[in-house]
This record gives sequence, structure tokens and C-alpha cells, in this order.
Amino acid sequence: GAVVSQHPSRVICKSGTSVKIECRSLDFQATTMFWYRQFPKKSLMLMATSNEGSKATYEQGVEKDKFLINHASLTLSTLTVTSAHPEDSSFYICSVPDRGDYGYTFGSGTRLTVV
Amino acid sequence: QKEVEQDPGPLSVPEGAIVSLNCTYSNSAFQYFMWYRQYSRKGPELLMYTYSSGNKEDGRFTAQVDKSSKYISLFIRDSQPSDSATYLCAMSAGGRRALTFGSGTRLQVQP
Repeated sequence: GAVVSQHPSRVICKSGTSVKIECRSLDFQATTMFWYRQFPKKSLMLMATSNEGSKATYEQGVEKDKFLINHASLTLSTLTVTSAHPEDSSFYICSVPDRGDYGYTFGSGTRLTVV
Repeated sequence: QKEVEQDPGPLSVPEGAIVSLNCTYSNSAFQYFMWYRQYSRKGPELLMYTYSSGNKEDGRFTAQVDKSSKYISLFIRDSQPSDSATYLCAMSAGGRRALTFGSGTRLQVQP
């Protein structure tokens, strides 16, 4: 499967600032990547589908102006949390579908804390 | 009603026990069923996958899918302390669509 690198693994930022999270597919050209959010002791909730060369598709209830996704190349998708607030504190994980219909490789996740 | 319900949690068992983890789902379009293991503050790792109904065995792990009942299971034999983690069921309708996850079951295997 793909080798997926996500960073930073942990970030603390002040309220009102923006944070960028990168997801790189190191050995697989990914036209699609997924971004999930996970609250403590909860499941992964799909936020958006990142599409290379076009706009991301956001799930219902996810603010597209707050969570900016850019997928400018086949190996990189970025998630920018704009004007972060404490309620945006969470664990964010990217995923690359890489092996037929069942293969999804996940990044190691980014723990965001907004203070 | 959630699309995927996962039960039970949390679970504590002694080393060597057989563990049974289960999920039910409501979307009949789901065709691909997976189990992921997630250690604290890490991304999920794929353990098992199954297409449609049936059983699949890999070492100490057995995955079962019963599409008629919309019910999937993961069995862990001879559980080890290193199996302590959160186990997430996940499923998709295929076509490289995003996965839908269960809420996860935290498993603790006591030495």
C-alpha cells in the first residue's frame, strides 16, 4: 500500500490563528484523499474528500471556509484550519485510497490544540 | 440511527481469552468491510478486510460478515497484552469512496 506521511503530528496554536496540516502520499499518486476528524474516544468522522486539481467535497455540517483543503498535486493535500477556536481542538487524520476497493492507508494523525 | 453501530465498549479481558467485537450497519450498499486497530494518538492500521459475506482468517484474527443480518464480527484468539488498542470497524460501498466507521471498541488485555 501507499506510504502516507502526515505532519505535524502535534500542534498548539493560539485562538484566531491558522494552522496548516500536510498529508503526503510518498509512493502513490493519489487523485483522492480523505480528511477525518476524531474526538476523544469517538470514531473517525469524514470531513471532506480532497480531489486533485479541483475543489474538495465537504460533508454536511463542515464549514468549507473554516477548513480549507488544497490538493494541488497527486502527492500532497493540505488542510488549513482558519481562525482556529478551542472547539476546533481535535485529532485530524488523512487517508489515501490506494489498493482497489478495500485499501486505505492512513496518516499518523495531527493533534491540534487551540488555546 | 447511526449508519454503523459498534458494540461493546470498553472491554477488559485476561490474556489468552477469545475476544469478540461486533458491528451492525444499516446501509445495504456496503460491500467492503474492514477492521482497523488504532493505538492511542496514532492513525488506524488495517487488520482485516472482507468483501461481501463470509469468513476470513489471518493468524489469531477471524473476520465474519453476514450481509443478510447486516452484522460483522472480529474474533481475536489467544489475546495478548499487545492487542490492547481501540478496534474500529469500517465499511464502504466500494469505488474508493470514503469509509464509514463504527465508534470503536477499546480493548484492554490484562497480563
